[in-house]
Amino acid sequence: GAVVSQHPSRVICKSGTSVKIECRSLDFQATTMFWYRQFPKQSLMLMATSNEGSKATYEQGVEKDKFLINHASLTLSTLTVTSAHPEDSSFYICSAGTGIQPQHFGDGTRLSIL
Amino acid sequence: AQKITQTQPGMFVQEKEAVTLDCTYDTSDPSYGLFWYKQPSSGEMIFLIYQGSYDQQNATEGRYSLNFQKARKSANLVISASQLGDSAMYFCAMREGAGTYKYIFGTGTRLKVLA
Repeated sequence: GAVVSQHPSRVICKSGTSVKIECRSLDFQATTMFWYRQFPKQSLMLMATSNEGSKATYEQGVEKDKFLINHASLTLSTLTVTSAHPEDSSFYICSAGTGIQPQHFGDGTRLSIL
Repeated sequence: AQKITQTQPGMFVQEKEAVTLDCTYDTSDPSYGLFWYKQPSSGEMIFLIYQGSYDQQNATEGRYSLNFQKARKSANLVISASQLGDSAMYFCAMREGAGTYKYIFGTGTRLKVLA
């Protein structure tokens, strides 16, 4: 089945640091990638939709300058949390899809900002 | 208005028994897709099963089946012969329309399988 790789799986860093998370589709070309945030014991919240070669579409309330998304190729999208603060600590998970096929998810990244 | 509703925050089932996880949805679009994902405690999201709004038959994938009742706008997941490894969080999701691939997720149901 389709495989999506997300890296790193866990990040612990100091407040003010920028953190980059990578999402790769390993065995298919993903026209669209999605970035979600999940708080403990809650559902997934869509942050943005990323299309290769174009600017990401952010959901209402998501700060574009805080969460920079780049989708440079059909197999790679990155999320950079800029100048991270403790309130940015969360579980971030990406997914990739092609057309109407089910989205396939990465394993997620647990971000802890001290 | 909430578009995907999962009314069971938690469920218990005895090993080897069947369990039904409820999901109702709300949309006025005739074209939509419904999905179920499993999220173990490790965090990854595992795709289980898909039902398209125009599909005539209920979807099945191994021990998973989707009880799709279009008039009632429900898409319940049925897990047969539960196993200990089925203990996880289960999310129902909907994709609306033909021109978007965004998902809306329900709040999830935590399933615990008892030995």
